[in-house]
Amino acid sequence: GEDVEQSLFLSVREGDSSVINCTYTDSSSTYLYWYKQEPGAGLQLLTYIFSNMDMKQDQRLTVLLNKKDKHLSLRIADTQTGDSAIYFCAEMSFRNNAGNMLTFGGGTRLMVKP
Amino acid sequence: NAGVMQNPRHLVRRRGQEARLRCSPMKGHSHVYWYRQLPEEGLKFMVYLQKENIIDESGMPKERFSAEFPKEGPSILRIQQVVRGDSAAYFCASSTTPRELSRPSQIKNIQYFGAGTRLSVL
Repeated sequence: GEDVEQSLFLSVREGDSSVINCTYTDSSSTYLYWYKQEPGAGLQLLTYIFSNMDMKQDQRLTVLLNKKDKHLSLRIADTQTGDSAIYFCAEMSFRNNAGNMLTFGGGTRLMVKP
Repeated sequence: NAGVMQNPRHLVRRRGQEARLRCSPMKGHSHVYWYRQLPEEGLKFMVYLQKENIIDESGMPKERFSAEFPKEGPSILRIQQVVRGDSAAYFCASSTTPRELSRPSQIKNIQYFGAGTRLSVL
């Protein structure tokens, strides 16, 4: 079965880098996503990476993918208090002819201290 | 271009009542997904629909839950005879055409999420 795991909590100081980690089990995963959820709000897509890539950079965000170890990370440079939120890793893989469901990790709560 | 619209944002029901959750996808999107988020947990897939068709309902409980996406109007997630364990946030997402198996690099199926409906069962 498919499983996506994340650590529950991360605390950093404003201006530091944050690294949020995620592991997944489905070797057929094709796309991996990072979503951000602020309190009481929906999910905002931050970035995604295709499984034939090992790195993607988008402004302050860097995604690293180690496909061999099935490990995904999200690095946020110069973390700001506005980055405080829950970050969800999600994967999509080829399953049946639909195969469009996302499997989410449990979320990592990022707290940024001023 | 409005995003995915869900209503109501908050819904309170007593045990045994019915809950109806609505989702209007983004303009141009014909694929809708429903997810449930229990307190302090991640989102769990429930059902995937296209217009007038249920494509995948493998994550939806067999009893009391149903979903539809009619030709006209929003997608509806219906929960009959609600119980306390149904209390959760229910999120809808929409996408354009799904990923094509022959062209997996086509990122056309990014799912955009609504703000969710938070159901509380008393």
